[in-house]
Amino acid sequence: GAGVSQSPSNKVTEKGKDVELRCDPISGHTALYWYRQSLGQGLEFLIYFQGNSAPDKSGLPSDRFSAERTGGSVSTLTIQRTQQEDSAVYLCASSLQVADTQYFGPGTRLTVL
Amino acid sequence: GDSVTQMEGPVTLSEEAFLTINCTYTATGYPSLFWYVQYPGEGLQLLLKATKADDKGSNKGFEATYRKETTSFHLEKGSVQVSDSAVYFCALSVRDDKIIFGKGTRLHILP
Repeated sequence: GAGVSQSPSNKVTEKGKDVELRCDPISGHTALYWYRQSLGQGLEFLIYFQGNSAPDKSGLPSDRFSAERTGGSVSTLTIQRTQQEDSAVYLCASSLQVADTQYFGPGTRLTVL
Repeated sequence: GDSVTQMEGPVTLSEEAFLTINCTYTATGYPSLFWYVQYPGEGLQLLLKATKADDKGSNKGFEATYRKETTSFHLEKGSVQVSDSAVYFCALSVRDDKIIFGKGTRLHILP
């Protein structure tokens, strides 16, 4: 069946612009996770959703980052006023329930010029 | 806080060599432990996992044993192939929600 999909696959933006990254989880998966993969920091947890609520936002690096999930399905990660240090690959994962195996999408490569 | 430390790469081996990638962890609770793999141009995939002490996870000829006494989860394979070339991430999950990853080890297998 279809896996986790993310769009766009690549995004190049100018410093100061806002960007939206989208994640479509596997159908029926109630838990959704966002991670960031960067050269300097490795793979970092950002936020996760159980249904539409986000019990843990501890990994969001600043208040420029926000995420929402509506209808228990698609999620959007928004970065406002992007900075060069935001350049990274943003990964989304989903699992049937929290504590089940997480399946990762291909990621969105964000480059901030 | 919870963390994972794995050996730095890159690791370069010849085909059919024995592989060990070391991984140790620090956790406040009783974590589940994972190895993830990222093949060139592909997404992150779960390779194997273990959820309690002395469990052995295995997949595709890879094995790792959950050692609580040494807080380790070393990845091993008896005979590597060129197709095993990838980046390997050791990881843990304490509350079964977020995963905490190590920095990754790049593995190159020479034919």
